[in-house]
Amino acid sequence: GAVVSQHPSWVICKSGTSVKIECRSLDFQATTMFWYRQFPKQSLMLMATSNEGSKATYEQGVEKDKFLINHASLTLSTLTVTSAHPEDSSFYICSARGLAGAQQYFGPGTRLTVT
Amino acid sequence: KNEVEQSPQNLTAQEGEFITINCSYSVGISALHWLQQHPGGGIVSLFMLSSGKKKHGRLIATINIQEKHSSLHITASHPRDSAVYICAVPYSGGGADGLTFGKGTHLIIQP
Repeated sequence: GAVVSQHPSWVICKSGTSVKIECRSLDFQATTMFWYRQFPKQSLMLMATSNEGSKATYEQGVEKDKFLINHASLTLSTLTVTSAHPEDSSFYICSARGLAGAQQYFGPGTRLTVT
Repeated sequence: KNEVEQSPQNLTAQEGEFITINCSYSVGISALHWLQQHPGGGIVSLFMLSSGKKKHGRLIATINIQEKHSSLHITASHPRDSAVYICAVPYSGGGADGLTFGKGTHLIIQP
């Protein structure tokens, strides 16, 4: 149980285009989903917290107009990288937390390369 | 914001050795997570613990809440244990938070 999927697993896009990444909890309802990113050789960093039905909370330094997060249902959150630039190339990972407890379940990640 | 320090950053050991990875954090927490990241990037949650000790197979995690310190041990290490091990704690200490992560310990177990 407690499986989280992400789609796509990797994507290459041209600079200036937008990319949408989906995060789904497959067998549980996730009231909260978190989005993290990891640059090469660096730690994972929290980007934003997404609660179902409400606006996401972004961490300092993360542009909310560039990284659009939608958490429209208890099983799906999406991250859209708008007007992507090469410096947005990174590994994006979501995690989901269920109705009870603090356990977070991680998706497999999406590797974004912007050319 | 919680600050997380992990040590060592890199560890190479021979198969069969007992491995210890340490983690310390700055703000009191509801629970601490130990994660495993493989070269492809995917993350597996190994443990979430708020007190005492947990064991799963050859992995043991301990935490001392008063000292804000946790350790991850691997007994009878095997090459398949080679991965990056990451300690993570709630951003501000509370259970509702996203996580802040240590820099990870890159473990290589040689046959």
